[in-house]
Amino acid sequence: ETGVTQTPRHLVMGMTNKKSLKCEQHLGHNAMYWYKQSAKKPLELMFVYSLEERVENNSVPSRFSPECPNSSHLFLHLHTLQPEDSALYLCASSFHRAGEQYFGPGTRLTVT
Amino acid sequence: DAKTTQPTSMDCAEGRAANLPCNHSTISGNEYVYWYRQIHSQGPQYIIHGLKNNETNEMASLIITEDRKSSTLILPHATLRDTAVYYCIVRVGDSNYQLIWGAGTKLIIKP
Repeated sequence: ETGVTQTPRHLVMGMTNKKSLKCEQHLGHNAMYWYKQSAKKPLELMFVYSLEERVENNSVPSRFSPECPNSSHLFLHLHTLQPEDSALYLCASSFHRAGEQYFGPGTRLTVT
Repeated sequence: DAKTTQPTSMDCAEGRAANLPCNHSTISGNEYVYWYRQIHSQGPQYIIHGLKNNETNEMASLIITEDRKSSTLILPHATLRDTAVYYCIVRVGDSNYQLIWGAGTKLIIKP
């Protein structure tokens, strides 16, 4: 595996479900990101982890809970989501604060 | 970080050079210009970045005007696979983790 991988690629969940999105980077980077991309809207930064510590949390509702167990893995735990949370969730990584960020293919989430 | 203005959409014939403009008239001296693209339903892909000088890599060339108020991304020989949304982003070097994404330019390469 190379680059940034994300699983699952597609997820349909009910509002009462609990699920997790997984991201893994094979680039030796030390910063990882979660972004949300809703239809017709620009990418929104949700969370940033640097050296496994959360450094940014952009006013994201608590029903989204990130976890970064090591510099190669990032999770986004989801619970009691709303239909408006349906979106493409993208993971990215970089060296420190570098503007070159490398993205995974995303998880297409549908909340029913 | 300075704001950018890009055309909503552009067409280009396959095999021709695609020139994508970006206006960043309020750019500061320490702000870089970054370009990304996003092919439909995929994650964004880093293309190139620059500060003052023109830059070239295997994907594209970046031409920044002398006053740095605008730039052009050039795809020298566009192919159908270059159809994507192209984002121009301005940010201060490695100051923070943010990339401020706009709506970008939808580039359609036509056969």
